[in-house]
Amino acid sequence: ELKVEQNPLFLSMQEGKNYTIYCNYSTTSDRLYWYRQDPGKSLESLFVLLSNGAVKQEGRLMASLDTKARLSTLHITAAVHDLSATYFCAVDGQGGDDGGSQGNLIFGKGTKLSVKP
Amino acid sequence: ETGVTQTPRHLVMGMTNKKSLKCEQHLGHNAMYWYKQSAKKPLELMFVYNFKEQTENNSVPSRFSPECPNSSHLFLHLHTLQPEDSALYLCASSQDLGVSGFNEKLFFGSGTQLSVL
Repeated sequence: ELKVEQNPLFLSMQEGKNYTIYCNYSTTSDRLYWYRQDPGKSLESLFVLLSNGAVKQEGRLMASLDTKARLSTLHITAAVHDLSATYFCAVDGQGGDDGGSQGNLIFGKGTKLSVKP
Repeated sequence: ETGVTQTPRHLVMGMTNKKSLKCEQHLGHNAMYWYKQSAKKPLELMFVYNFKEQTENNSVPSRFSPECPNSSHLFLHLHTLQPEDSALYLCASSQDLGVSGFNEKLFFGSGTQLSVL
C-alpha cells in the first residue's frame, strides 16, 4: 500500500526566513505533485515533478524530486505572509510496487504553514 | 474560477435524508474524481471515472453512490449517511492519457462542506 508522509504537519515561520517541507513516500513512483489549499478554498496545483532529479521553481517556492530516496522537498525562500496555506504532496499510485490504480493520487496529510510578520 | 464547479457549497442533512452533490467541469477533461477531506485524515480518493466509466471505487460504503452521465458531469448521491461522513467533498478532473501517458495534475472544485446531523 502506497503511503505518503509529510513533515512537519504544522509550521510557523517568520517573514523573510527559509524553510523546507518534506514528503516521503513508500513505493516506487516517478510522479509527484504539490498542491496548495487556502482556508475554505479548493486545492490549487503548484508543481508536477515527473522524473528523478526534477526541480521546479515558482516565485519563492522550489520543489525537487529524488525518486531513489522516495523524497520530495518544497523549499520556501524568504517567506511572506501570502504563502500562509496548507501544502499537500501527492504521489501517483499508478505503476507502484503494488501495482497501483490508474487515476489514483495518494495525498499526504498536508503541512499547514503560517507565516508571521 | 478553476473550471470545476461544485454545488451546493454547503449542505446540512439528517441521517434519513437523500441528497446529491453535483460537479461540472468546463475543461474538456476525460477523467473525474470524488475525494473526501476530513479533519482527521488525508485526502481520500473515493471514485474515479475515466471516459464515463468507473475505474476506481476505494471501498466506499454503498450509502455513497456516484453517477457520471457524461464526461463533464459527476454526481454523488447520498442516502442514510452517518455523522462521521461529515466532511468536505471535493470533485476534481484531469486529462488522463491512459496507458500511453500519465495523469496530469488535478483541477479541483471548491468542494461541498457536508454536515450530517
